[in-house]
Amino acid sequence: AQSVAQPEDQVNVAEGNPLTVKCTYSVSGNPYLFWYVQYPNRGLQFLLKYITGDNLVKGSYGFEAEFNKSQTSFHLKKPSALVSDSALYFCAVRVGTDGNKLVFGAGTILRVKS
Amino acid sequence: KAGVTQTPRYLIKTRGQQVTLSCSPISGHRSVSWYQQTPGQGLQFLFEYFSETQRNKGNFPGRFSGRQFSNSRSEMNVSTLELGDSALYLCASSLGTGRGTDTQYFGPGTRLTVL
Repeated sequence: AQSVAQPEDQVNVAEGNPLTVKCTYSVSGNPYLFWYVQYPNRGLQFLLKYITGDNLVKGSYGFEAEFNKSQTSFHLKKPSALVSDSALYFCAVRVGTDGNKLVFGAGTILRVKS
Repeated sequence: KAGVTQTPRYLIKTRGQQVTLSCSPISGHRSVSWYQQTPGQGLQFLFEYFSETQRNKGNFPGRFSGRQFSNSRSEMNVSTLELGDSALYLCASSLGTGRGTDTQYFGPGTRLTVL
């Protein structure tokens, strides 16, 4: 069965510094990988996805993610963090044969301090 | 385009009651999926509807059910509510190609509290 792991419950970073939120996955077949962000009392906002092709995916709000097949990872990155990036981040995986079902990681709280 | 809308935003029910939640997808989207979010279990897939048919189902008891209408709007119903059903229920819509590459766009959720 497919699964996603986000090994860090919380990541703290200073404003202006680069940030990384980690995600590893386990699937049989080709993975379709997604990152979402959730602000308090809000739904999930789509950031970016990897389907195929270039391993470096660029998304919304300056975020990008790098797909690494050998390490089964899909880490989210941003070169310069903003205080407004503070939120809960979810990595998710979907296997192509499983329709639209997303399997989510447990989430990582990102705190950016000024 | 308007985003995914969910009504109501907040609900308070008592054990044993039933509840119906509504979701209107983005115009042109034919697939609607439902997820339950709780602090203990995280985000879990409930089911997906496409063209008024359930296309996929998660591991939830039969008390959880749903349906989709011809205009792609969807409802989910929870009968005989239990305290553990307290959660944020999220609806997501997508084009519905079924290839797994679609992006799902989420609504703001319905916060259900069971007393």
